Amino acid sequence: EVQLVESGGGLVKPGGSLRLSCAASGFTFSSYTMNWVRQAPGKGLEWVSSISSSSSNIYYADSVKGRFTISRDNAKNSLYLQMNNLRGEDTAVYYCTRVDETGYSFDCWGQGTLVKVSS
Amino acid sequence: EILLTQSPATLSLSPGERATLSCRASQRVSSYLAWYQQKPGQAPRLLIYDASNRAAGIPARFSGSGSGTDFTLTISSLEPEDFAVYYCQLRHNWPPGYTFGQGTKLLIK
Repeated sequence: EVQLVESGGGLVKPGGSLRLSCAASGFTFSSYTMNWVRQAPGKGLEWVSSISSSSSNIYYADSVKGRFTISRDNAKNSLYLQMNNLRGEDTAVYYCTRVDETGYSFDCWGQGTLVKVSS
Repeated sequence: EILLTQSPATLSLSPGERATLSCRASQRVSSYLAWYQQKPGQAPRLLIYDASNRAAGIPARFSGSGSGTDFTLTISSLEPEDFAVYYCQLRHNWPPGYTFGQGTKLLIK
């Protein structure tokens, strides 16, 4: 069974840092582009960042560029999101997602981990 | 940057009725548009990819169509479990990334 499990969310003060992790299982992790997508409370979905299978292509939404860093460890079947200089508007549920073989849609989602930025 | 506008924002229908959800792109796009369903407290689920292809395990009552700037998700006969929020999504090449529509909330009438 294909599974993505996020961890690392929590309460952090503005300006603080947090590292999210996503453990993948049930598929060949090293063959897939992976993404982070977030959803603020009561709001819609927002793409955050993307990393290709070999980490050669990395992209960020403008809203997080320069503050967030995506990475992966294919030997550990894991995806990461290092979040620095956090702001109130970063409060959201963060989902780990797998890009399907067409490269255009997200065919597998984790259950999400909540990040709350508040003093 | 391409924007996706979904309409209506809210749609109230009864079980058994047909639902038609719209997603309009701000400029002509490829047909690599996807649709997702999200129920309260759950992660989104892929329904349709490449505008018209059902994802694995998705019932045949869900169908997608469209090209250019206008795309449609149709649910032929609503089941109680279909009342949820639906999002369209597109990958764009420049700047590289993905865009979601703002969502359509499908409510039981």
